[in-house]
Amino acid sequence: AQSVTQPDIHITVSEGASLELRCNYSYGATPYLFWYVQSPGQGLQLLLKYFSGDTLVQGIKGFEAEFKRSQSSFNLRKPSVHWSDAAEYFCAVGIINNNDMRFGAGTRLTVKP
Amino acid sequence: DAGVIQSPRHEVTEMGQEVTLRCKPISGHNSLFWYRQTMMRGLELLIYFNNNVPIDDSGMPEDRFSAKMPNASFSTLKIQPSEPRDSAVYFCASSPRQGGGTGELFFGEGSRLTVL
Repeated sequence: AQSVTQPDIHITVSEGASLELRCNYSYGATPYLFWYVQSPGQGLQLLLKYFSGDTLVQGIKGFEAEFKRSQSSFNLRKPSVHWSDAAEYFCAVGIINNNDMRFGAGTRLTVKP
Repeated sequence: DAGVIQSPRHEVTEMGQEVTLRCKPISGHNSLFWYRQTMMRGLELLIYFNNNVPIDDSGMPEDRFSAKMPNASFSTLKIQPSEPRDSAVYFCASSPRQGGGTGELFFGEGSRLTVL
């Protein structure tokens, strides 16, 4: 089965600084990859997804992610973080012809003023 | 358009009581998922349905848990009897993808269950 590892449980960045959240997946073929964001007391919202094609994917709220097959990674980036970006971020992996989507443990982002 | 609607948002009950969580997926979505979120175990897939049919319930923790989807617009997750270790946030999500493949999941706001 596929699996996802998010190595960083908690990250703190200053407002205006750049951000990179790490995600590594384990799966034998090309996976479907997702990043979701969860604000306190809310459900998860999709930021972006990768199915195929261009390995650099643009999402909402100024986020982007790059799929690197050689590193089995799908890291999330944002050039300049806003205070409203403070939330929990989840990487997820799905596979073709299967609705079993596996989520990482999440990375909690704190933004310092 | 309305998103995925879950009720109740919060439930506090005593051990041994029956708990029923409800979900209305987005109209037109073919797949419905129930997840449980805890600090210790993160997001766990409990069960999912395609076209109202349960496909994989291997994530359901034990026989105390059951889920139904009587029609395309309604699903329930029932816990009977409830135990303190069932305390968690339960999310329902729906997806427009038919049958095979993995599509975007649209999540409800969750039902926070506390079992005393």
